[in-house]
Amino acid sequence: AQRVTQPEKLLSVFKGAPVELKCNYSYSGSPELFWYVQYSRQRLQLLLRHISRESIKGFTADLNKGETSFHLKKPFAQEEDSAMYYCALKRGAQKLVFGQGTRLTINP
Amino acid sequence: GAGVSQTPSNKVTEKGKYVELRCDPISGHTALYWYRQSLGQGPEFLIYFQGTGAADDSGLPNDRFFAVRPEGSVSTLKIQRTERGDSAVYLCASSSTRGDEQYFGPGTRLTVT
Repeated sequence: AQRVTQPEKLLSVFKGAPVELKCNYSYSGSPELFWYVQYSRQRLQLLLRHISRESIKGFTADLNKGETSFHLKKPFAQEEDSAMYYCALKRGAQKLVFGQGTRLTINP
Repeated sequence: GAGVSQTPSNKVTEKGKYVELRCDPISGHTALYWYRQSLGQGPEFLIYFQGTGAADDSGLPNDRFFAVRPEGSVSTLKIQRTERGDSAVYLCASSSTRGDEQYFGPGTRLTVT
């Protein structure tokens, strides 16, 4: 079965420190993976997708098929990065399978 | 332009009652999705529409849940005989035919007492 696991419900780091939010997946085909973010009092929005191989707001994520991981990284955390982060896998034509989410808090 | 909108933003109902939740997608988006997010969990897929038809309703938990999109735009999620376990945030998203990014609405928080 297709599944996305985010092992950390909460993650707290200091401003300027590196950040890594973990995501592991199980999927029998070629996965399409995404990171979504929800800032306080805002709606869920796409942060980045693996096929774009782009950096958004300083965040990057590399798909590692051997380890079935898609960890989200940023070298220097900023206070505005505090938010809820969801890793998601596209299953079938369109629907998304989400992980439980990680609440990231950046301490000043 | 306007994003996905959902009404109401909050709905409190008694166990056993019927509720309707509405979603207005981004204009021109042919694909529409419903997800349910329980407390402390990520969104869970319920149903996906391509145009007027439900292309995938495999996520609907049981026959108390039903959704329609009669004109290929606005969609209504209908829940009959609500149960306390139906309490959650119901999210709607839409996407264009060519792009695959799903744009989410603010959600409807349903509380069944």
